[in-house]
Amino acid sequence: GAVVSQHPSWVICKSGTSVKIECRSLDFQATTMFWYRQFPKQSLMLMATSNEGSKATYEQGVEKDKFLINHASLTLSTLTVTSAHPEDSSFYICSAWTEAFFGQGTRLTVV
Amino acid sequence: AQKVTQAQTEISVVEKEDVTLDCVYETRDTTYYLFWYKQPPSGELVFLIRRNSFDEQNEISGRYSWNFQKSTSSFNFTITASQVVDSAVYFCALHQFSGTYKYIFGTGTRLKVLA
Repeated sequence: GAVVSQHPSWVICKSGTSVKIECRSLDFQATTMFWYRQFPKQSLMLMATSNEGSKATYEQGVEKDKFLINHASLTLSTLTVTSAHPEDSSFYICSAWTEAFFGQGTRLTVV
Repeated sequence: AQKVTQAQTEISVVEKEDVTLDCVYETRDTTYYLFWYKQPPSGELVFLIRRNSFDEQNEISGRYSWNFQKSTSSFNFTITASQVVDSAVYFCALHQFSGTYKYIFGTGTRLKVLA
């Protein structure tokens, strides 16, 4: 079946550095992918909709310059957390809408 | 407005008990999908079921069953003879076809199955 692969599954980085998270659709083409953020013991919050070949659509309150999304191909979307700070520590998860499957998630810890 | 409500924040049951997780949704669309996902402690979201708005048939898959009732805008999930491995957070979600095609998640229900 359809598989969405997310990498890395966890990352620890220093405050001020940038971190890139990849989301790949392995056996299908995904023109649209979604990026979510989940705080501990909370629901998933949609951050942005990633569209292949065009700019991402960000949800209200999400900083575009902080969370850079690139969807350069039909199988890959990336989320870059720029100048990360401890408050960016969270669980980030992507999905591809065509098959409603989610990546494994990335646990980001900024120290 | 679209919304998914999971009123049960946390449920604890003893192994082998049956448990029902409630999900109530709001949407103006006539075409939509409803989902249930399981999120174990590892964090990944495990897809359990997708149901489209035109199919109100109840579904059973092993110990899992789902009751979809459009009249009450509910899509409840029952686990029969619960097991410790069922302990997880369960999310109900709504996917509309109008607008931006976003998924709208409920706040989740944490299920604890005690041995």
